[in-house]
Amino acid sequence: QKEVEQNSGPLSVPEGAIASLNCTYSDRGSQSFFWYRQYSGKSPELIMSIYSNGDKEDGRFTAQLNKASQYVSLLIRDSQPSDSATYLCAVKRGQGAQKLVFGQGTRLTINP
Amino acid sequence: EAGVAQSPRYKIIEKRQSVAFWCNPISGHATLYWYQQILGQGPKLLIQFQNNGVVDDSQLPKDRFSAERLKGVDSTLKIQPAKLEDSAVYLCASSLDPVPYEQYFGPGTRLTVT
Repeated sequence: QKEVEQNSGPLSVPEGAIASLNCTYSDRGSQSFFWYRQYSGKSPELIMSIYSNGDKEDGRFTAQLNKASQYVSLLIRDSQPSDSATYLCAVKRGQGAQKLVFGQGTRLTINP
Repeated sequence: EAGVAQSPRYKIIEKRQSVAFWCNPISGHATLYWYQQILGQGPKLLIQFQNNGVVDDSQLPKDRFSAERLKGVDSTLKIQPAKLEDSAVYLCASSLDPVPYEQYFGPGTRLTVT
């Protein structure tokens, strides 16, 4: 079992709809969770971080965390073609561990 | 605020040759990371520095890879000798502190080993 799992996609969503990206993780002691966006040929860009159960909203982006289910998601409202990219979920493991573990990423395409 | 700088942006070498990458983190960021990203995969941490010291190098292939961060600022990552499977993008990232782990990436170096 991978430490951080994402559906590699591609996920295709019509413009203006809500895109939902999901991520599960295996280490129950994980404490910090991040979503990065990576355009083709570019480096990852941090878009959201979440540390406690519940929802965190930032503009059109909402991160959701459920530690009991070991599940974190990213919702993108009013999807735009410029949101087309690969979205990487990253998890900081439990106490004493300092590194981030990345999932393989989900490729999202927004269709005009 | 200037971002993370890396050079070169692209490098093509033959197998068994050596190569070096350079990274300059965001000013004031104590923690520096080197990642390897193979096409279609997420970044994999190779080595993490806190100031001058190594925090984690558990996934660094030490028989061929080496890294240093002199004076706690910029860093170099070296591969010697390179193998075909080293073809990847090498990403440098930095963070203000190990906590809360918000890392900022440089543009990366795309390495092709032929």
